Formats: sequence, C-alpha cells, structure tokens
Amino acid sequence: DAGVTQSPTHLIKTRGQQVTLRCSPISGHKSVSWYQQVLGQGPQFIFQYYEKEERGRGNFPDRFSARQFPNYSSELNVNALLLGDSALYLCASSGDGQGTDTQYFGPGTRLTVL
Amino acid sequence: GDSVTQMEGPVTLSEEAFLTINCTYTATGYPSLFWYVQYPGEGLQLLLKATKADDKGSNKGFEATYRKETTSFHLEKGSVQVSDSAVYFCALSDLIQGAQKLVFGQGTRLTINP
Repeated sequence: DAGVTQSPTHLIKTRGQQVTLRCSPISGHKSVSWYQQVLGQGPQFIFQYYEKEERGRGNFPDRFSARQFPNYSSELNVNALLLGDSALYLCASSGDGQGTDTQYFGPGTRLTVL
Repeated sequence: GDSVTQMEGPVTLSEEAFLTINCTYTATGYPSLFWYVQYPGEGLQLLLKATKADDKGSNKGFEATYRKETTSFHLEKGSVQVSDSAVYFCALSDLIQGAQKLVFGQGTRLTINP
C-alpha cells in the first residue's frame, strides 16, 4: 500500500506570494494533520482535519488555511508569504485521529521563501 | 500546556556502542508516547510507540518504556549501527479541544562512526 504522499517536493516562492501544498493520506485513513518543521527544530502542529471538518488549529496566523476533500486528500494554503514561512511542511494521516491513533508522515514539501 | 524535552544533542557514538536518548514530558492528560526518526532530506518515520503506563515499545532493536512516575520515555538500543545515524524525535499525542495533536521535542541528532 502507498504511504502518505505530498506534492510538490520542493517549492521556491517570493515574499507576498501564495502557495498551495497537497497531501494524499494512506488509503482508509480519514484524518489528515499538517505540521511545520523549521530547520533544526521539531515539527509544530498547524491543523487537523477529520471527515472534511477542521478539528483543531495550532498557534498559526490566519494566513494559514486548509481544507479536506471528500476523498480525504487535503490542501494547505499559505497567503502573503513571509521569509519565516520557509520550512519543511509535513502531512500526517491517521485512521480516526483519536488520542492513541498513530500518525504516519509523508516525505514533506520543502518551501523556500526568498 | 503539554511539552516534551529531549536530551541535548548532537550525540556521537562508535558502532556497537549502547545508546540512550533521554525524553521527559509534561501533560495534563494521559498521552500516548512516540519516537520518530528522520533521515536526511526525508519525513518522519514511526520508530515505536506506547499508549499507557508501563507499556514497552520496541522496533529494530530500539526500546522505550512509558514511565508515568518519572514522566519519561527514554530510547535505548544495545548495539548501534552506522545506519542508525539520523535525528530522533520524542513526541506525545493528546486530545486537545477535540484535536489529536502531536507535541515534539527538539530532536537529537545521532551520528554513529564505524
């Protein structure tokens, strides 16, 4: 079975632009979460979606938004990019997104903002 | 809020040495605990997990025991290999306001020399 897939692999944008990142979960998983990993740090929680509904949001500005589609894939959008948004963006999927459920990560999208 | 603290890195060992990476956590509930590993340029891979006190997670020769009394989840391996060189993240998973959120430590970079 395929794991979590993300696209694109790498992306270069300039300040002020907008970006959309995509994620496909493991087949059968209904929950998708997004994390931001700045170089040299642990990932930080951005969003969790389950059955197309937002379940939770981390401490990120409104420039960050996401959605989940009927096939459980997800998009993360970031508007008005800042230099500080440069990071590895990780998508994780889990079955039902409950506390003991394991989250499986994709390879990530490396975003560079110039 | 919930938090995870890992031992400071980087850690450099010789092949076949014994490995310990310390991890302690603070949580208001009863979280599940995880170790993830990240190889250069890749996403996170689940290494092992434990969902309740005194559970021992194990995989590929690595072990960690959920110690509620000391709020710890230290990672150990009896004999490391060069291929174990990577960054290791300790994490807790808890339901916070309806969302399953992973909280990560800062990561410990491990280098194994032949």
